[in-house]
Amino acid sequence: QKEVEQDPGPLSVPEGAIVSLNCTYSNSAFQYFMWYRQYSRKGPELLMYTYSSGNKEDGRFTAQVDKSSKYISLFIRDSQPSDSATYLCAHKGAGGTSYGKLTFGQGTILTVHP
Amino acid sequence: NAGVTQTPKFQVLKTGQSMTLQCAQDMNHNSMYWYRQDPGMGLRLIYYSASEGTTDKGEVPNGYNVSRLNKREFSLRLESAAPSQTSVYFCASSNPPGTDTQYFGPGTRLTVL
Repeated sequence: QKEVEQDPGPLSVPEGAIVSLNCTYSNSAFQYFMWYRQYSRKGPELLMYTYSSGNKEDGRFTAQVDKSSKYISLFIRDSQPSDSATYLCAHKGAGGTSYGKLTFGQGTILTVHP
Repeated sequence: NAGVTQTPKFQVLKTGQSMTLQCAQDMNHNSMYWYRQDPGMGLRLIYYSASEGTTDKGEVPNGYNVSRLNKREFSLRLESAAPSQTSVYFCASSNPPGTDTQYFGPGTRLTVL
């Protein structure tokens, strides 16, 4: 089983919709999670960072970690065409040989159409 | 402040040829990474360098070598390119501990014929 799994989509929504992007992870000891956004033919850029469980909000974006089900989510409210990108979830290793290393999900391709 | 830069942007090789992908960062970061990105596979770590003078294998190191030339530069070498190494290669850097955001370069698109 992959450490982090993500539905690659693609996902297509109308402008203004609420978008839900999801990943599952394999190890209940994982605590550090990140969401990266990658525009076409660009490098990924950090969008959200969460530690342990609960919600973190930043403008139209909310990251959520549910440790009981080993599920991480990214919600985008009032989605805009400029949100069209690939969204990658990642887990950051916290100790030993995994320290600092990111393990990525496959990425979900999102298109927001006007 | 250019962040992370990569050269070249595009490259086409024939099977068996060698090449070196260059990466440099100007953020004074200690750690640097090389990833490859393939459709449906996400980003996979090839090699990383936790600090100047150290390098370690990641998830998919076979067929690659790396050199941490100094704190700024981290190169990736393909000694004998194979079609399976056709991919987009990203370099990243970070400065752990803390939130340890990894900053990515723009990528190198490599095709091996």
